[in-house]
Amino acid sequence: NAGVTQTPKFQVLKTGQSMTLQCAQDMNHNSMYWYRQDPGMGLRLIYYSASEGTTDKGEVPNGYNVSRLNKREFSLRLESAAPSQTSVYFCASTPRGRPEGRTEAFFGQGTRLTVV
Amino acid sequence: AQSVTQLGSHVSVSEGALVLLRCNYSSSVPPYLFWYVQYPNQGLQLLLKYTSAATLVKGINGFEAEFKKSETSFHLTKPSAHMSDAAEYFCAVTTTGANSKLTFGKGITLSVRP
Repeated sequence: NAGVTQTPKFQVLKTGQSMTLQCAQDMNHNSMYWYRQDPGMGLRLIYYSASEGTTDKGEVPNGYNVSRLNKREFSLRLESAAPSQTSVYFCASTPRGRPEGRTEAFFGQGTRLTVV
Repeated sequence: AQSVTQLGSHVSVSEGALVLLRCNYSSSVPPYLFWYVQYPNQGLQLLLKYTSAATLVKGINGFEAEFKKSETSFHLTKPSAHMSDAAEYFCAVTTTGANSKLTFGKGITLSVRP
């Protein structure tokens, strides 16, 4: 039972390069999220997808794009990486709606991204 | 919209002392509340959750939290700290509303002194 799988685990980019972080869940969850974690800032929501076919901006969406490819997969793209995007990125998923909304979010193991 | 406030960024306790990590929430509809723990270089792990059943919730590793609607609080406690409790702790809130999403507080780093 894999849960939430994120790839890659580590990545170093040069400023201006692009990349896509992949996330897949096998729990049939409706909602998926991308967060970034920075020291002293906690987890900040970048984008979320309440259901297949919908995406919405979170707290810090600038510089990112997302695709909800299907119910399982939710990818995060950096079109032109900047040093300010150096962070640890987490993907998460939750069920949505009663009573499934009572269960917790499941997190991937994170992607440590460094932009030089 | 909902939000979570975790006052202070760092708490330090002695081994064997009471652990108290504070969390206050804001939500216009009944909330679901969670505490997560993150050990160094790891992902987030659920400690416990409140889902409108019992207001006193017990979690893993001896932690518990009490939902107090009148105080809009969901503080995390543990009677006796252990060295292995040193980690970062996050409070989070969600609802089942149409636009609900999982929202985290900024986290509190717990240090445990020998």
